[in-house]
Amino acid sequence: RKEVEQDPGPFNVPEGATVAFNCTYSNSASQSFFWYRQDCRKEPKLLMSVYSSGNEDGRFTAQLNRASQYISLLIRDSKLSDSATYLCVVNGETGRRALTFGSGTRLQVQP
Amino acid sequence: DVKVTQSSRYLVKRTGEKVFLECVQDMDHENMFWYRQDPGLGLRLIYFSYDVKMKEKGDIPEGYSVSREKKERFSLILESASTNQTSMYLCASSSSGTYNEQFFGPGTRLTVL
Repeated sequence: RKEVEQDPGPFNVPEGATVAFNCTYSNSASQSFFWYRQDCRKEPKLLMSVYSSGNEDGRFTAQLNRASQYISLLIRDSKLSDSATYLCVVNGETGRRALTFGSGTRLQVQP
Repeated sequence: DVKVTQSSRYLVKRTGEKVFLECVQDMDHENMFWYRQDPGLGLRLIYFSYDVKMKEKGDIPEGYSVSREKKERFSLILESASTNQTSMYLCASSSSGTYNEQFFGPGTRLTVL
C-alpha cells in the first residue's frame, strides 16, 4: 500500500462548483498534514496545513479524520484560477524527517 | 521571500555522463531536499540533508549521490547518467524543525539520451 494515496482525477467542474478531494495515508502515527498546489509546469507551493480540528482559508477547507486516516480538501465557488494539481502531503515513515507527497489530484475548472 | 534556485531549467546529457544539478537557497534553511517527479508517480524523495555535510537517503537513492559543503547549496550528482533518469528534478528547502513548509525551486528537466 502506498504511504499516501490520491485519486489522480482529473476532476472537471464548472466555475462556481464545490469540489472535494480526499487523500488516505498509511501511517497511523503521522502527525503533520498539508495540501500543496502545483500549477502546470511549475513547482509545488504550500496551499495550507491541515490541523486536527479542521481549518479554513477563504474558499478552502481542510479536514483530518484520524480514525479513517484520511484528509480532505474542499474548494467552494471554484474559480478558473483554481485549475491545478493538488498534492496531499504527510509525514509518512515514523522518525523520518522528510515529508511524503501523494501523486496529486488534477482539477480543471471550466467556464 | 524565500528563493530556491536551480542551476538549469533544461539539461540534455548522454548516457554515461556525470551530471551535476545545483540548488541554492537564500533563507538560511537547515534542511534541503532533492526529488524527482514523474507522471503518475508524483514526487519521490532522492536524498535530503539536515545540516552541512549531513545527508540521508530518501526512497530512491540508487544511481545518485549528493553533496552539501555549504549551508545554502545542495548538489545532486548522477555518477553515470542513464535513460531512466530522464525526469524533472526538484530541489526544496525548509527551516529547522521536522515538518516545516518546504519551498521548491523551479525544477530542472533532465533528458538523458
